[in-house]
Amino acid sequence: DTGVSQDPRHKITKRGQNVTFRCDPISEHNRLYWYRQTLGQGPEFLTYFQNEAQLEKSRLLSDRFSAERPKGSFSTLEIQRTEQGDSAMYLCASSLEAAQDEQYFGPGTRLTVT
Amino acid sequence: KNEVEQSPQNLTAQEGEFITINCSYSVGISALHWLQQHPGGGIVSLFMLSSGKKKHGRLIATINIQEKHSSLHITASHPRDSAVYICAVASNFGNEKLTFGTGTRLTIIP
Repeated sequence: DTGVSQDPRHKITKRGQNVTFRCDPISEHNRLYWYRQTLGQGPEFLTYFQNEAQLEKSRLLSDRFSAERPKGSFSTLEIQRTEQGDSAMYLCASSLEAAQDEQYFGPGTRLTVT
Repeated sequence: KNEVEQSPQNLTAQEGEFITINCSYSVGISALHWLQQHPGGGIVSLFMLSSGKKKHGRLIATINIQEKHSSLHITASHPRDSAVYICAVASNFGNEKLTFGTGTRLTIIP
């Protein structure tokens, strides 16, 4: 068990470019969550998957954001036409199944949009 | 009003002091999490609890469901405890998504 991994750890991009982040959860974990954290704030929920099904999306997730978990294993989060306001830490977490199960966090991907 | 409120926002203490961080929430929950975040962003789960009290080493977490309040205590604090401590609650509406407080920045001075 290597824990939750995220790639890349840091991304600097110019406004208007598209970026894609990857999250590899702990292998037997069915649930996968994406959160976003801006400086000085707690993380905010973006979306979550139960296996390959995306079950909920936050209103924070505009139509420029899309997330997938095609085979119920790794997940990708894509941001199209990035804006400076997208600059944040994007965190991924996974858990076995439900609320009684602890969420394990990845190291995060820090996005800077210039 | 935020669904999850933490206090204090910042706390500086001398090494060895007993530390208490408080968390109040306003929604129905299935579980409450205490998380630790070090500079650089990595988040580590310290406790997940839905009732009573849990202890791990020098850390103790308590929750009062009726009062919608939880506390995190650190005994014999040490400079390596310096971090941001975040309280998060898991919704009881079936998705178990976490709603986070803004965190308490703890600095322990040697």
